[in-house]
Amino acid sequence: SYELTQPPSLSVSPGQTASITCSGDKLGNEYASWFQQRPGQSPVLVIYEDTKRSSGIPERFSGSNSGNTATLTISGTQAMDEADYYCQSWDRRKVVFGGGTKLTVL
Amino acid sequence: QVQLVQSGAEVKRPGASVKVSCKTSGYTFTSYDINWVRQAPGQGLEWMGWIYPNSGNTDSAEEFQGRVTMTRDTSINTAYMELSSLRSEDTAVYFCARGRELLSIDHWGQGTLVTVSS
Repeated sequence: SYELTQPPSLSVSPGQTASITCSGDKLGNEYASWFQQRPGQSPVLVIYEDTKRSSGIPERFSGSNSGNTATLTISGTQAMDEADYYCQSWDRRKVVFGGGTKLTVL
Repeated sequence: QVQLVQSGAEVKRPGASVKVSCKTSGYTFTSYDINWVRQAPGQGLEWMGWIYPNSGNTDSAEEFQGRVTMTRDTSINTAYMELSSLRSEDTAVYFCARGRELLSIDHWGQGTLVTVSS
């Protein structure tokens, strides 16, 4: 079955740039999305169609998708960005999620 | 505004079935998919399947085929997900989420905790 691979964790200092990768075979051939999930809450759409920011999402969030890798970049990371992040795409019309990356801001 | 409101928490015995509802508002129900996604305690998101309310067509992940049934009632803009033959590993929060096939999943329900325990 198709898999999307993310690093389990990433730590950054406030103000630094965080880049979370998502790898999958020919991932660039389908749209990728990114979701932010804080503890005890439902996921929130951050990036869709590779590069588009969802409504209300700050400009410091950006996305890219090419070849086998999609990337979520958070510029000037803030403490409030600490959360789990999941990539998502499609394989034969079925939804696939990455395993998630726990972003720590310290 | 778009809203997806799910039914309340459930406790079930192993071998039983559970049916979760997802009542939508704020958009045209028949124009978007409804996806079902679950999250076991401390784990990641797992896609279960989707239903296209306009036609009633469904598709599901291989691991749930034969055990999951997704339906909808267009008269009350509500989607349902029924999971049968429950086992302890099915203990999870179950989410419904609005989507457009191959484009995005953009709004989520609040989640429904299903606990399977003897």
